[in-house]
Amino acid sequence: KQEVTQIPAALSVPEGENLVLNCSFTDSAIYNLQWFRQDPGKGLTSLLLIQSSQREQTSGRLNASLDKSSGRSTLYIAASQPGDSATYLCAVRPSTGRRALTFGSGTRLQVQP
Amino acid sequence: ETGVTQTPRHLVMGMTNKKSLKCEQHLGHNAMYWYKQSAKKPLELMFVYNFKEQTENNSVPSRFSPECPNSSHLFLHLHTLQPEDSALYLCASSQELRETQYFGPGTRLLVL
Repeated sequence: KQEVTQIPAALSVPEGENLVLNCSFTDSAIYNLQWFRQDPGKGLTSLLLIQSSQREQTSGRLNASLDKSSGRSTLYIAASQPGDSATYLCAVRPSTGRRALTFGSGTRLQVQP
Repeated sequence: ETGVTQTPRHLVMGMTNKKSLKCEQHLGHNAMYWYKQSAKKPLELMFVYNFKEQTENNSVPSRFSPECPNSSHLFLHLHTLQPEDSALYLCASSQELRETQYFGPGTRLLVL
């Protein structure tokens, strides 16, 4: 059974700092991995999707990397801003069988002005 | 309206009530999903529909009954719920089953 772990569970940083969020998964047989952002009481917004054949994806100040063999992904946020404050969720999709996403518990990020 | 919408946004119900959650997607997608997000737990997949047909039921209790009349609409019928069913219920859609999922804002449900 796939398990997704996100470390740290919570993070508080001053504005302008570069930071890294970590995601690990137990079964490396994945089709893709997706990073989401969730604001309090709201739905999820997709940030980046990395296919299993890819090593990284970039969007603006965000860069996500994938090391499938070691079961790890990182989300790098450059020059953090107070508007980045949210919960960041990592989710993996298996390459066979059940097609739905398995989510981690998330990292709650607070960027202080 | 664009994207994925959900109604109502908030719902309070007693354990003997019957209510329904509605999800509508305006993206022309073929797959739709129900997720449950409880406090301090990861999102849990409940149901998956593809081209109106249910393809996954993640061992969800029968007091939750999904309905997908067409590819744009998804309902979750609720009856005789328990207080532990209180959670944020999220709907999502995707073009195909393995593609990026787009989420609605969720319905915050409180069962008294």
